[in-house]
Amino acid sequence: DTEVTQTPKHLVMGMTNKKSLKCEQHMGHRAMYWYKQKAKKPPELMFVYSYEKLSINESVPSRFSPECPNSSLLNLHLHALQPEDSALYLCASSQDRDRESTGELFFGEGSRLTVL
Amino acid sequence: RKEVEQDPGPFNVPEGATVAFNCTYSNSASQSFFWYRQDCRKEPKLLMSVYSSGNEDGRFTAQLNRASQYISLLIRDSKLSDSATYLCVVNIRGPNTGNQFYFGTGTSLTVIP
Repeated sequence: DTEVTQTPKHLVMGMTNKKSLKCEQHMGHRAMYWYKQKAKKPPELMFVYSYEKLSINESVPSRFSPECPNSSLLNLHLHALQPEDSALYLCASSQDRDRESTGELFFGEGSRLTVL
Repeated sequence: RKEVEQDPGPFNVPEGATVAFNCTYSNSASQSFFWYRQDCRKEPKLLMSVYSSGNEDGRFTAQLNRASQYISLLIRDSKLSDSATYLCVVNIRGPNTGNQFYFGTGTSLTVIP
């Protein structure tokens, strides 16, 4: 069983809706990530939070808005999405100490998003 | 920009076969390397880390060549349960950005009875 929990598992929304994806981990990891994965494609990095600060934004459109309320939680706020944004959204975490890192990414099971 | 390149396959091999996957990465500052496995409609899971000296875990052997920026995975005595997509992953750690994990395109493996 994964130690990264994502909700909801499935989400269907219209292009005018506002919704949020949520992610939680209690492994004490200080780095959290959002990835987007389309069918038969690899996960694509969207955002990285390191010590609750946004450190990487891979040129993601502003209709996706990440938030890291504390070291255990990561949200992805969605607004005015397009049908092509339909995908599996994966949250992950990793240890991110200054001097060492196990390097392993732990993934949640993902939130499968459909935009109508 | 593609940080990591892999042959997407698919590879269809009989049970008991040996199969090798290759991966190249573009950023020489890449610091750590991994193979992940992803089953259909599941999240990726770590298969093994890859070390410069090469490492083995049962039927799986991983190799890293930093000079050529090349990573490989060898699976011996393939089992039906090895059928999955294998993803090469590279970690680039920036001084102010922390760990950034980039995935290769993935290689699909089907082991046939």
